[in-house]
Amino acid sequence: GQQVMQIPQYQHVQEGEDFTTYCNSSTTLSNIQWYKQRPGGHPVFLIQLVKSGEVKKQKRLTFQFGEAKKNSSLHITATQTTDVGTYFCAGRRRTALIFGKGTTLSVSS
Amino acid sequence: EAGVAQSPRYKIIEKRQSVAFWCNPISGHATLYWYQQILGQGPKLLIQFQNNGVVDDSQLPKDRFSAERLKGVDSTLKIQPAKLEDSAVYLCASSVQPGQINHNSPLHFGNGTRLTVT
Repeated sequence: GQQVMQIPQYQHVQEGEDFTTYCNSSTTLSNIQWYKQRPGGHPVFLIQLVKSGEVKKQKRLTFQFGEAKKNSSLHITATQTTDVGTYFCAGRRRTALIFGKGTTLSVSS
Repeated sequence: EAGVAQSPRYKIIEKRQSVAFWCNPISGHATLYWYQQILGQGPKLLIQFQNNGVVDDSQLPKDRFSAERLKGVDSTLKIQPAKLEDSAVYLCASSVQPGQINHNSPLHFGNGTRLTVT
């Protein structure tokens, strides 16, 4: 079945450094969504990418969807302590969203 | 707008006991999901409802898990009997609709029920 893989599993950075997480699918995705889960919290929707090669920005966050629609990335510029949490990508299987295992980001000041 | 409501917030049971979780989605959201999130992993879809019909329950362990959404609004998820490996956070989410072919409505998650099976 469709699988969504994320790397790295964990990432620790110093505040102000950049951070990138990568998402890869075994099959072509019709769209991909990104969520953030703070420690002890629930996943919160960040963004959805639909078009091949699409790039979207939210302040310091940049999201990309690959040309083949099989991979995606989230890049955070100049991390802050508020960026701490686990970032999940989710790809669609029929009408259901299948989540990756996430990348957990920790930031030290 | 009120969010997705779930109860209880925490539950501790012994193995072989039964347990039930309740979810009330955001008003007007036709689609309701139950996800299981084991510590350190991503949410795993258990079942998806569209109104009161099941859209996807391929990952639901039907020998012990059941779910219903009789009136197309709130939903219950039951485990009977529970096993140690069922310890996890059970997340309910809702969305406006499954979406068109190339789209998915964002999922709005509740705070979850943390289940511990001893």
